Amino acid sequence: DVKVTQSSRYLVKRTGEKVFLECVQDMDHENMFWYRQDPGLGLRLIYFSYDVKMKEKGDIPEGYSVSREKKERFSLILESASTNQTSMYLCASGTTGNYNEQFFGPGTRLTVL
Amino acid sequence: DAKTTQPPSMDCAEGRAANLPCNHSTISGNEYVYWYRQIHSQGPQYIIHGLKNNETNEMASLIITEDRKSSTLILPHATLRDTAVYYCIVRRRSAGGTSYGKLTFGQGTILTVHP
Repeated sequence: DVKVTQSSRYLVKRTGEKVFLECVQDMDHENMFWYRQDPGLGLRLIYFSYDVKMKEKGDIPEGYSVSREKKERFSLILESASTNQTSMYLCASGTTGNYNEQFFGPGTRLTVL
Repeated sequence: DAKTTQPPSMDCAEGRAANLPCNHSTISGNEYVYWYRQIHSQGPQYIIHGLKNNETNEMASLIITEDRKSSTLILPHATLRDTAVYYCIVRRRSAGGTSYGKLTFGQGTILTVHP
């Protein structure tokens, strides 16, 4: 059974803290994605990666960075958390050739105080 | 990507078939229809996709009209656990460049399954 796991379901951080969100997939997928989801704004792509050590900016990369040192792991980093980064963060993975069939993790609800 | 239109909400009785419509009148020849759903407080879940033939898997059936301008997702025996927001998306199978992988969900249809 396919599985995408995220390190935390709920996280509370303070403004200015460095935040790491981890995502691991066990399907040997080439592509991994980080989205955020906010009421009324839908799903927005932050970054994606199509191979180890490769990354591409999505629609809203400002304030975020990513790391993909191993195929199964894709990390999202908030260098200095701000209150406007309070959101639901969703990680997904998928295969090359059918980018639109993505498998999502359960999400991390991040609150920045 | 072609625009899609879905009803904002639908109700269904438990055990009955749920038929969720989607209009995509501007779909082009190389675009597929994808369906996802999102149960409250969970990540989206891929359900099914198709090009022009009807498709079925263990979760649902997808019926695409002959002119491909609309489709219907069918949950044959809805359960309470099928209560979710259902999203219809139309995209090329392998969109290239920086647009690939960028799933965009509209408002979707809130399906409520009643006992």
